[in-house]
Amino acid sequence: DSGVTQTPKHLITATGQRVTLRCSPRSGDLSVYWYQQSLDQGLQFLIQYYNGEERAKGNILERFSAQQFPDLHSELNLSSLELGDSALYFCASSSSSANTGELFFGEGSRLTVL
Amino acid sequence: AQSVTQPDIHITVSEGASLELRCNYSYGATPYLFWYVQSPGQGLQLLLKYFSGDTLVQGIKGFEAEFKRSQSSFNLRKPSVHWSDAAEYFCAVVGETGANNLFFGTGTRLTVIP
Repeated sequence: DSGVTQTPKHLITATGQRVTLRCSPRSGDLSVYWYQQSLDQGLQFLIQYYNGEERAKGNILERFSAQQFPDLHSELNLSSLELGDSALYFCASSSSSANTGELFFGEGSRLTVL
Repeated sequence: AQSVTQPDIHITVSEGASLELRCNYSYGATPYLFWYVQSPGQGLQLLLKYFSGDTLVQGIKGFEAEFKRSQSSFNLRKPSVHWSDAAEYFCAVVGETGANNLFFGTGTRLTVIP
């Protein structure tokens, strides 16, 4: 158990809809990262927050947004969903924003868009 | 830009045999390199990391990796594979922005046969 909690574990929705994925980091971790894992794109870094502020942005679509709240949990919002958004979305956390590279991953939220 | 390449999509080894998974990196400076493992239905777990110093690094579960700057490689090895090692293995490098976000290779799926 990494200590990172993601909900929901599975989600099925239709094209054009909007969903919110939730992540609770390990106790005390200030950084939260979102990754998308799909068969064709592999593991793609989406976005990182550190103590409520956006720290780095990767291949995140404009239809997607994220935020980190004062209690350090984070949400990833996916809107105007397309079939290609079907993927496993991972949240990870770390204790700092420094380059330790040691991230603790949740078990992921599997999104299926029909 | 930073990137890692894992040339082997799928490797099959017999239990008890030795294992080497290949990883090549592209990075502007001295890279911070990592190997993560993803068991079925699970998130990713850090196996080992290289920052600097000794080029042979030891990790958990009996894994080791060797950093070779001349070959831009960071191959993962294990002298004797166990059936429980069947999983997907990802090589990763920290982004050059210094934000601790990881860039992953496409992964190598390891199958262990009795």
